[in-house]
Amino acid sequence: DQQVKQNSPSLSVQEGRISILNCDYTNSMFDYFLWYKKYPAEGPTFLISISSIKDKNEDGRFTVFLNKSAKHLSLHIVPSQPGDSAVYFCAASARTSGTYKYIFGTGTRLKVLA
Amino acid sequence: DTAVSQTPKYLVTQMGNDKSIKCEQNLGHDTMYWYKQDSKKFLKIMFSYNNKELIINETVPNRFSPKSPDKAHLNLHINSLELGDSAVYFCASSQMSLDTQYFGPGTRLTVL
Repeated sequence: DQQVKQNSPSLSVQEGRISILNCDYTNSMFDYFLWYKKYPAEGPTFLISISSIKDKNEDGRFTVFLNKSAKHLSLHIVPSQPGDSAVYFCAASARTSGTYKYIFGTGTRLKVLA
Repeated sequence: DTAVSQTPKYLVTQMGNDKSIKCEQNLGHDTMYWYKQDSKKFLKIMFSYNNKELIINETVPNRFSPKSPDKAHLNLHINSLELGDSAVYFCASSQMSLDTQYFGPGTRLTVL
């Protein structure tokens, strides 16, 4: 049962343009969402997060949008840079037995073309 | 100065062997985790410890046993390794269970 889905396994974008990565979830109990970035042979690194009480969070070139009614979130990167080329994972969490557990999507590989 | 470190980075072993993966964090965090990323790229939580106490134990075979000698270390011991155990295992830590998790570089386990 895949509660967090990233339906695009890969995405190519020209340098300087906008990258939009999408994530859908099924569990309405999720109340905290995160995006992680992963380079080859490294662990995921935290990028940006959003609580379910918000619909937008911005940090520099990165903005995450949350649409609770559609159970959808997206990560916008503007402008995209070659160094942004990586695999991006979205994750969601909900309280379970008094603690928060992250459920990850399968990732989207972003390639930013110079 | 690595925040979350794992050893070894690569581990190749035969079926039936017992192996351990070590994890250490120098962030002063209270909570540590083990994740498994399989061939389909699913990153799934296996265990979580808070101050050496087990707080999350997903449906993982008994052959997997985490051990936390102190809150800075969470080791993963695997008995009687099987082919299906081949995966990348990530350790992570966070200040509290709600906080952002910081991941180690991963250990690629290959069972032959």
